[in-house]
Amino acid sequence: ILNVEQSPQSLHVQEGDSTNFTCSFPSSNFYALHWYRWETAKSPEALFVMTLNGDEKKKGRISATLNTKEGYSYLYIKGSQPEDSATYLCAPGDSNSGYALNFGKGTSLLVTP
Amino acid sequence: KAGVTQTPRYLIKTRGQQVTLSCSPISGHRSVSWYQQTPGQGLQFLFEYFSETQRNKGNFPGRFSGRQFSNSRSEMNVSTLELGDSALYLCASRQGTASNEKLFFGSGTQLSVL
Repeated sequence: ILNVEQSPQSLHVQEGDSTNFTCSFPSSNFYALHWYRWETAKSPEALFVMTLNGDEKKKGRISATLNTKEGYSYLYIKGSQPEDSATYLCAPGDSNSGYALNFGKGTSLLVTP
Repeated sequence: KAGVTQTPRYLIKTRGQQVTLSCSPISGHRSVSWYQQTPGQGLQFLFEYFSETQRNKGNFPGRFSGRQFSNSRSEMNVSTLELGDSALYLCASRQGTASNEKLFFGSGTQLSVL
């Protein structure tokens, strides 16, 4: 099971600010990288699944990049809104762990008006 | 299409008891994974089942076990409950087990051990 690090642990920004967080993972045997958003009182929901080095995915104001050679992914939120407040989780999958997804502890984002 | 259904939603048990949690995946999904969420620990992988077979297991003691039925529904059992087992237990389903398949999560079972 991969060791996953997410930073920062928490983040507090003002509405309209842009922000980004990092997910670091061992680069060997990498297969895929997932990002999930977990809002309070709801279930985690998938944002992106990325597999290729240099991949960039976008969903509205949220985008993510992937560097499999150095083992990191960035998640960007442009013009943060209060509804973006959530915990953002990443989970890499690798062939050695039988493709199980092991999550990082997440970045908790609070966006205030 | 119905989502992932977990029952019960809340559960209170005492130390030493055992508990069984249930998860019904999205129709057509054959893989069910279980996760434990405790404050400060993040989502920790318990195990994953596919076609009634355990495919992967996380780093949890043998008191944690599971099974999957032919209709893909899964149960998780924890025996000899300890205070530290108090947590939110989430299950997630996907069609197969490929790493590029996203997970669909249920609402979870909040277990309190007194």
